Amino acid sequence: TQLLEQSPQFLSIQEGENLTVYCNSSSVFSSLQWYRQEPGEGPVLLVTVVTGGEVKKLKRLTFQFGDARKDSSLHITAAQPGDTGLYLCAGPPGGGNKLTFGTGTQLKVEL
Amino acid sequence: DTGVSQNPRHKITKRGQNVTFRCDPISEHNRLYWYRQTLGQGPEFLTYFQNEAQLEKSRLLSDRFSAERPKGSFSTLEIQRTEQGDSAMYLCASSLLQGALGYTFGSGTRLTVV
Repeated sequence: TQLLEQSPQFLSIQEGENLTVYCNSSSVFSSLQWYRQEPGEGPVLLVTVVTGGEVKKLKRLTFQFGDARKDSSLHITAAQPGDTGLYLCAGPPGGGNKLTFGTGTQLKVEL
Repeated sequence: DTGVSQNPRHKITKRGQNVTFRCDPISEHNRLYWYRQTLGQGPEFLTYFQNEAQLEKSRLLSDRFSAERPKGSFSTLEIQRTEQGDSAMYLCASSLLQGALGYTFGSGTRLTVV
């Protein structure tokens, strides 16, 4: 059983469309992070959310941490081909320092 | 700051051979982590160090796997008697003490066991 479930698993959209990726758990997390990974490279940290209900914006990306700190979402406005990649949520189970990663969402944005 | 460096980037080995990977973390980062990732999946935790001390090992890490971080700087991950199931991307990451606030990953070592 995965601690962090992401949906959808795959997403293929046209340039200019909006999309939302979800990260859900039955456990409470002290913080959640989102990473983006390109083929053959390591994940790159996009954002860390630490407060229930928190919303953070990074240009066209909006991240939200659920009030109960069990879920998070990533919304991309007007997607571009450069947004293509594997999106991963991650958090420290039990408030420790090691991260557990979600199942991943593979996003493809086509022209 | 050159980030986290991993070598080699790619390794092809025959089943039964031993392999060793190296990770050079960001110099001021106390914590160093090893993860394994298969295609399209999220990384799975293997082990982590705080300075030179190995603080936790996953149950995924069989006796064939060993990791070291002498002097609290670079780390090595060795796999003995490789099996085809060991084929994966091996990722190293480092962080300051508050690892839960974010890791910096290296580009990984892609291992193929034939």
